[in-house]
Amino acid sequence: QKEVEQDPGPLSVPEGAIVSLNCTYSNSAFQYFMWYRQYSRKGPELLMYTYSSGNKEDGRFTAQVDKSSKYISLFIRDSQPSDSATYLCAMSQGSNYKLTFGKGTLLTVNP
Amino acid sequence: SQTIHQWPATLVQPVGSPLSLECTVEGTSNPNLYWYRQAAGRGLQLLFYSVGIGQISSEVPQNLSASRPQDRQFILSSKKLLLSDSGFYLCAWRPTFPGGEQFFGPGTRLTVL
Repeated sequence: QKEVEQDPGPLSVPEGAIVSLNCTYSNSAFQYFMWYRQYSRKGPELLMYTYSSGNKEDGRFTAQVDKSSKYISLFIRDSQPSDSATYLCAMSQGSNYKLTFGKGTLLTVNP
Repeated sequence: SQTIHQWPATLVQPVGSPLSLECTVEGTSNPNLYWYRQAAGRGLQLLFYSVGIGQISSEVPQNLSASRPQDRQFILSSKKLLLSDSGFYLCAWRPTFPGGEQFFGPGTRLTVL
């Protein structure tokens, strides 16, 4: 079983839709959870960073962590064409903060 | 504010040629630094990380090497490139205070022909 599983998509939604992106993981030692957005041919950009279980909201983005189920989600409200990108989940343990990434989900928001 | 630079942005090299990619970070001191490779359909692969000058940890055995000659400079090198070295190379930094997030540079796209 891979440490981090992420549905690669592609996911296509109309503008204004609510988008749900998900990752599951197997390593219960993961403590820090991140979501990155990567536009084509660009470096990943940190969107959300969470440490504990629960929800964290930033504008149209909400990150959700459920450590008991080993499941994290990113919700995008009122999606825009500019949200079209690949979304990567990432997580790390404590000591050296090496990140383990999902393979990314390609999202297209159609105007 | 902190910024991270990588160069060159794109590079086309013949098989067997040497490689040197550079990454520098501004606006912070003593960062943890990371080199990743991103190949199509394979996600981000951690190649090297460094917690200080001259301190390099290798994650994947290969013909690449890394060096950190200065606090905010990280270099990825190869003596002889292989076709399989093609990919998108990303440098990242992480602040030393507790926390897991890393911040990525713009990347270098390497094509080995």
